[in-house]
Amino acid sequence: GENVEQHPSTLSVQEGDSAVIKCTYSDSASNYFPWYKQELGKGPQLIIDIRSNVGEKKDQRIAVTLNKTAKHFSLHITETQPEDSAVYFCAASRGGGKLIFGQGTELSVKP
Amino acid sequence: GAGVSQSPSNKVTEKGKDVELRCDPISGHTALYWYRQSLGQGLEFLIYFQGNSAPDKSGLPSDRFSAERTGGSVSTLTIQRTQQEDSAVYLCASSPQGQGGDYTFGSGTRLTVV
Repeated sequence: GENVEQHPSTLSVQEGDSAVIKCTYSDSASNYFPWYKQELGKGPQLIIDIRSNVGEKKDQRIAVTLNKTAKHFSLHITETQPEDSAVYFCAASRGGGKLIFGQGTELSVKP
Repeated sequence: GAGVSQSPSNKVTEKGKDVELRCDPISGHTALYWYRQSLGQGLEFLIYFQGNSAPDKSGLPSDRFSAERTGGSVSTLTIQRTQQEDSAVYLCASSPQGQGGDYTFGSGTRLTVV
């Protein structure tokens, strides 16, 4: 069935370094790939998304890349700050209906 | 409203009791989704509404779980005869047209079955 694998499960970086989180998906019909940030006690918040007709998208310190052939997509955070510490989830959908989520990455940015 | 509102924020119930969880989506959002998040885990899809109908109920884990949506707005998720394994955070999201984008999540209901 539909599946999204996310790695790593935990990631610790020094403030100012870059962080990369990777996901693979199984459903070749997936065409929408959002990334969510979840802080303790809160619901997930959309931080960036990409659709299958685009290979890369950037928003300030955050970028997402998509390789449709390999069914991979990645989140890149540059110049990390302590407030970037949270759990990050990738997800995929066919462009309607449900999102299938990865298992999450707990990012810790050390000052 | 300004965002997706869920109530209650926390619920403690005894094993075997029924519970109702409520979700108030963003006004005008036609699509509504329920997810379950167990401690330290990812989000597990439960059910999707488009308007008042549910084209995808494939994630409901058992017949103890049901959901309805009325007036194309508020949704309730009901769990009958709760079990300890039902303990989790139940999250609701809405989106404008269910076309794969602009999902906004509520803060969730933390359910604890004792």
